[in-house]
Amino acid sequence: GAGVSQSPSNKVTEKGKDVELRCDPISGHTALYWYRQSLGQGLEFLIYFQGNSAPDKSGLPSDRFSAERTGGSVSTLTIQRTQQEDSAVYLCASSFYLTGSNSPLHFGNGTRLTVT
Amino acid sequence: ILNVEQSPQSLHVQEGDSTNFTCSFPSSNFYALHWYRWETAKSPEALFVMTLNGDEKKKGRISATLNTKEGYSYLYIKGSQPEDSATYLCALSVGSARQLTFGSGTQLTVLP
Repeated sequence: GAGVSQSPSNKVTEKGKDVELRCDPISGHTALYWYRQSLGQGLEFLIYFQGNSAPDKSGLPSDRFSAERTGGSVSTLTIQRTQQEDSAVYLCASSFYLTGSNSPLHFGNGTRLTVT
Repeated sequence: ILNVEQSPQSLHVQEGDSTNFTCSFPSSNFYALHWYRWETAKSPEALFVMTLNGDEKKKGRISATLNTKEGYSYLYIKGSQPEDSATYLCALSVGSARQLTFGSGTQLTVLP
């Protein structure tokens, strides 16, 4: 079956512009996660959704970042007024249950964001 | 802030060698420990999810053990092959938290 799909795969944008990143999880997966990896850093948690709700937004780096999920499926991560430090690979993952259980994460290929 | 540490940071081995890496984590409120393999230009792929102290899991030439009381997990690769070259990530979930906290990974290069 289809895996987690992310688009675009690459995005180059000018500082100050808004960007929208999309994630299509595996059908039937209730949990959806956004992580990012900046150059030379580990995977940094941003936000997770259980269904359409996001109980934990503590990982979002600033109020320029927002995310939503509709229909328990597609999620979009929006970064407003992008800054150079936002440059990173943004990874989306989904799982059947929240990872407090035995459920592994299934990752997409990521969106490489470059802010010039 | 959870501190999940992996060592070594990078490792070069010859084809056929066996190797192992370590993931260390705080032992309090442990819930689950995950291992992932991340090959260049691909997405991270789940290897194991372990929840019980003393758990041992195996997948082909790769195996993992878990000690929740002392806060560590080992990943073993027997008879390394060039296709095993990747970054190996461990990740922890604790208590009521629902996200995984990842370590920085061990980058393995298997030389032919």
